[in-house]
Amino acid sequence: EAELLESGGGLVQPGGSLRLSCAASGFTFDSYGMSWVRQAPGKGLQWVAAISGGAGDSANTYYEASVKGRFTISRDNSRKTLFLQMTRLTADDTAVYFCAKGVDRWEDAFDIWGQGTLVSVSS
Amino acid sequence: DIQMAQSPSSLSASVGDRVTITCRASQSASTSLNWYQQKPGKAPKLLIYAASSLRSGVPSRFSGSGSGTDFTLTITSLQPEDFATYYCQQSYSTPPTFGGGTKVEIK
Repeated sequence: EAELLESGGGLVQPGGSLRLSCAASGFTFDSYGMSWVRQAPGKGLQWVAAISGGAGDSANTYYEASVKGRFTISRDNSRKTLFLQMTRLTADDTAVYFCAKGVDRWEDAFDIWGQGTLVSVSS
Repeated sequence: DIQMAQSPSSLSASVGDRVTITCRASQSASTSLNWYQQKPGKAPKLLIYAASSLRSGVPSRFSGSGSGTDFTLTITSLQPEDFATYYCQQSYSTPPTFGGGTKVEIK
C-alpha cells in the first residue's frame, strides 16, 4: 500500500528555518512527481511546491509565488524521501504541511497524501 | 492563476439526501478538475479526477461532471460517513489551485 509520512514540523520563530521530510513507501517513488500542499488553521488547501519525477538528476521544481525564493523542494530517490527546506518563515507560513503524490506527473491530481506535519511560526 | 469558486460554502443535509456542490473556474480548466474529501484532522482524499473519473475504491454514489469553467460534484443518497468538507482543484495550469471548500453537515 502506498504511504507518505511527513516529519520535521514544529515551532519556529519568525525569520527562522525548518526542513520538512516526507518518507514514501509502497510505490516506485522516483517515477512520480511530488508536491507539498499546506493548510492554515481553519482554512483551505494551498499548493506550495512541486518537483517532477523520473530517473536521473534533472528534476524540475515549481513554486507558489509567496514561497518562491524562500522554500526549496528536493528529493532523494535513493532514500525515497521528499524534502521542503523553508527559510525566512513568517506567521503566514503557519499551517499543516502535507506531501502529496501526483497520479503520474506532479501536475496531475494528488492521489496519495501524508498525514501532515504542523509548522507554527511564532515568537 | 486560475481562481476556483465553490458554492455553497456549507450546507446541511440528511442521510439519504442528494447533494450537489458546484465549482466555477475563473478561466477554462478543460476537464482538469479534481474533487477531494477531507474530514477533521485528516488528510484530503481524492474522489474524482479529470472532472468525471471515479477513483478506484470510491463509492459510486459520488459522481462528477462538467468542463471548461463549470463543474459539479454530486452525492446521491448521502451516507453518515460523507459528512466532511469537499474541495475542488484545477490541475490545468500552474499553480494548481483549490476552491475554498464546501462543508457538508448533518441536518
